[in-house]
Amino acid sequence: RKEVEQDPGPFNVPEGATVAFNCTYSNSASQSFFWYRQDCRKEPKLLMSVYSSGNEDGRFTAQLNRASQYISLLIRDSKLSDSATYLCVVRPSRNTGNQFYFGTGTSLTVIP
Amino acid sequence: GAVVSQHPSWVICKSGTSVKIECRSLDFQATTMFWYRQFPKQSLMLMATSNEGSKATYEQGVEKDKFLINHASLTLSTLTVTSAHPEDSSFYICSVPGLAGGRGNEQYFGPGTRLTVT
Repeated sequence: RKEVEQDPGPFNVPEGATVAFNCTYSNSASQSFFWYRQDCRKEPKLLMSVYSSGNEDGRFTAQLNRASQYISLLIRDSKLSDSATYLCVVRPSRNTGNQFYFGTGTSLTVIP
Repeated sequence: GAVVSQHPSWVICKSGTSVKIECRSLDFQATTMFWYRQFPKQSLMLMATSNEGSKATYEQGVEKDKFLINHASLTLSTLTVTSAHPEDSSFYICSVPGLAGGRGNEQYFGPGTRLTVT
């Protein structure tokens, strides 16, 4: 079983739409969770960390459900510039060093 | 966040040659750096952990004699793909981990190096 699993999409949504991505992880002892954004042929960039209580940053809301071992990202009022691949990233444990596990990414295209 | 550079950003080489990729942490010292590889439409796969002053730790299935890693200073790690073949063509990305309690526990990625072996 993969450490992190994501629906690869693609998701094609109109401007202004709300879209949600989910991600599941296999290691229940995982410590840290992130959403990264990767544009085509570019390096991943941190979008937001995911906290246990859930957190929001503008149009982006991240949720963590430890019991079900999944993470979600909600994007409201989609913009054309939101088109990218969104990577779910999990850090299992401080004891494993700084190793991060990446999902395959979910592709989002926002259509005018 | 940390600024990480990679050089070159893009390289084309002939099969059988060796290619060196540099990863630099520009604004803080990094005792650890990570090397990832990403094939098209796939996730980043950790290849190895580069440790300053000691041997790199390779992930299962990654040939240490083919992917030579040198972490000679606190700001520079190099990855050399020896005797490259077309199947080594990929996007190679390095990263520097943030510091717990300091810069946070995220990772900072370099811009990546696109390697094409003909």
